[in-house]
Amino acid sequence: QSALTQPASVSGSPRQSITISCTETSSDLGDYNYFAWYQQHPGKVPELLIFDVDKRPSGVSHRFSASKSGNTASLTISGLQPEDEAHYYCSSYTDSGQWVFGGGTKVTVL
Amino acid sequence: QVQLVESGGGVVQSGGSLRLSCVVSGFAFNYQSMHWVRQAPGKGLEWVAVISPDGSPEFYADSVKGRFAISRDNSKYTLYLQLNNLRSQDTAVYYCVKGSNHYYYGMDVWGQGTTVTVSS
Repeated sequence: QSALTQPASVSGSPRQSITISCTETSSDLGDYNYFAWYQQHPGKVPELLIFDVDKRPSGVSHRFSASKSGNTASLTISGLQPEDEAHYYCSSYTDSGQWVFGGGTKVTVL
Repeated sequence: QVQLVESGGGVVQSGGSLRLSCVVSGFAFNYQSMHWVRQAPGKGLEWVAVISPDGSPEFYADSVKGRFAISRDNSKYTLYLQLNNLRSQDTAVYYCVKGSNHYYYGMDVWGQGTTVTVSS
């Protein structure tokens, strides 16, 4: 099964910007380019932040943005706020008809 | 608004079976693909299975293929996951997740989850 690799943790001070990477470590994603990002606060249900690489659902703050370059997708949080402390997961469709999640990144606001 | 309510979780012995259900409302269930995603205690998200709007095709994670079966009853707005030959590593919160309007975009709205505990 294909894998998406994320850093275990990223931290930043309030009002700073941070970037979380999500790197494909196999070729199972093929030509598909459908990355999504989810936010999960402790004890809560995951919520969709980004779909189709860089699109925000209505209601998601413009402080969250995303992109993809080569085999790495990235999520950037601008103007970091205390409520951004959470786990963040990337996800992608694969050419075997499956979906895969990254291992998750814990964001800490210092 | 969109709601997904899972049920059917519980404690089961290794090798046993369970059937999870997810009743949905607030969207046209019969037009949406649906997913199950699980999360072991203290661990990350693991995609489990997906089913197309009309019930076929289905796809599974390698870790559950041949043991789990996803199905749906569009007349009842209900999604199911049959879990067979359960192992301790299947212990997790199981989330029912609505598929995005574009199939390849994956998942958007999540239920609250139901907990499955496999005891040895």
